Amino acid sequence: EIVLTQSPGTLSLSPGERATLSCRASQSVKTFLAWYQQKPGQAPRLLIYDASNRATGIPARFSGSGSGTDFTLTISRLEPEDFALYYCQQRSDWPPITFGQGTRLEIK
Amino acid sequence: QVRLQESGPRLVKPSQTLSLICSVSGDSITRGGDYWTWIRQLPGKGLEWIGHIYYSGTSHSNPSLQSRTTLSVDTSKNQFSLKLRSVTAADTAVYFCARGFAGGRWFDPWGQGTLVTVSS
Repeated sequence: EIVLTQSPGTLSLSPGERATLSCRASQSVKTFLAWYQQKPGQAPRLLIYDASNRATGIPARFSGSGSGTDFTLTISRLEPEDFALYYCQQRSDWPPITFGQGTRLEIK
Repeated sequence: QVRLQESGPRLVKPSQTLSLICSVSGDSITRGGDYWTWIRQLPGKGLEWIGHIYYSGTSHSNPSLQSRTTLSVDTSKNQFSLKLRSVTAADTAVYFCARGFAGGRWFDPWGQGTLVTVSS
């Protein structure tokens, strides 16, 4: 089973700042990696798939990069609605499909 | 626009079977390429993929849950279902259904989720 490790666990930033979230895989997942955003009481929402493709309706301030074992989600300028939980997910070596443990992005 | 909605009992007794249905609207469940997926979120924790099913009936499950999981699809009702047998308190979670596109790789959209509590 591929283990995804996200860092940091919590990221404290202010609106307007740049956020960089990391996801590291225990073995190569090529570019079979996605990012999701989850707000309290809501289902996760797909942001990025295939490591760098934005999902439909996702603002351009969200971008993804990486391949192999190291991936990054960048939010160029934080908006108030961006403060949430973020998960990465892989579907390279499966089953099972696995998720990271999450990074909480909080307002500083 | 595809929408998914989970339904089923919110309270299940230990050792019994958890049964959920996901109703799909806005598109046909028989559209090719999509795998209809169940994911759960344990209280205060991360996400766990349970499994997925194609409209033909082909399914895959998480090895950690496979022995207790049954997935099924009803194309006439545009629904798919999850049964999880012999539940314990550790199965208490929010259960989500989702559309797995690109051959089941990525999940979008998701249902709103339903909290199922296992308790006597």
